[in-house]
Amino acid sequence: DVVLTQTPPTLLATIGQSVSISCRSSQSLLHSNGNTYLNWLLQRTGQSPQPLIYLVSKLESGVPNRFSGSGSGTDFTLKISGVEAEDLGVYYCMQFTHYPLTFGSGTKLEIK
Amino acid sequence: QVTLKESGPGILQPSQTLSLTCSFSGFSLSTSGICVSWIRQPSGKGLEWLATICWEDSKGYNPSLKNRLTISKDTSNNQAFLKITSVDTADTAIYYCARRALVGNFDYWGQGVMVTVSS
Repeated sequence: DVVLTQTPPTLLATIGQSVSISCRSSQSLLHSNGNTYLNWLLQRTGQSPQPLIYLVSKLESGVPNRFSGSGSGTDFTLKISGVEAEDLGVYYCMQFTHYPLTFGSGTKLEIK
Repeated sequence: QVTLKESGPGILQPSQTLSLTCSFSGFSLSTSGICVSWIRQPSGKGLEWLATICWEDSKGYNPSLKNRLTISKDTSNNQAFLKITSVDTADTAIYYCARRALVGNFDYWGQGVMVTVSS
């Protein structure tokens, strides 16, 4: 199975600070069809996961543009440009280029 | 407006079969490119993909549980189902269903249903 390693496990940020979360894959996530199926999710406490980004860098409808995704191959990054209080929660990367679909272990964003 | 809602037994005993239903609205599972997946999350832990069923009835299962899982759908009634046989306490979790759209985004998730396996 593809292992997704997220760092850091915990992130402490102040409001307005820009932060980045890394997701490193044990295999290239480039599919033979040319797509890279790497998504990012946010799970707030007590809520179901909500999608943020798909295909590495495409923003889901309604997601603020302070969120951005980048990367290729095995290294991916989620950046939040100017953290807001509502951004706290656990961020997960997920891949389904390779079967079975797998998730990273999560990065908990806490607000100072 | 797309919505998904999971339902299940709440609590069941070890060795029983868990039956889950995902009832959805705002889309059809007969539309090309649309799939529904089941994902679970034990309390305080991460996410685990279980199974996916797509519009043309293709199915995928997590190999770690494959022999215990059966996914199916009722397109007419806008529902997807998951059965897990021979449950034990390790199957205690919140179970989510989510829609996967054509471009590969899991764009809508249900609120989740808590399932507890206990004797």
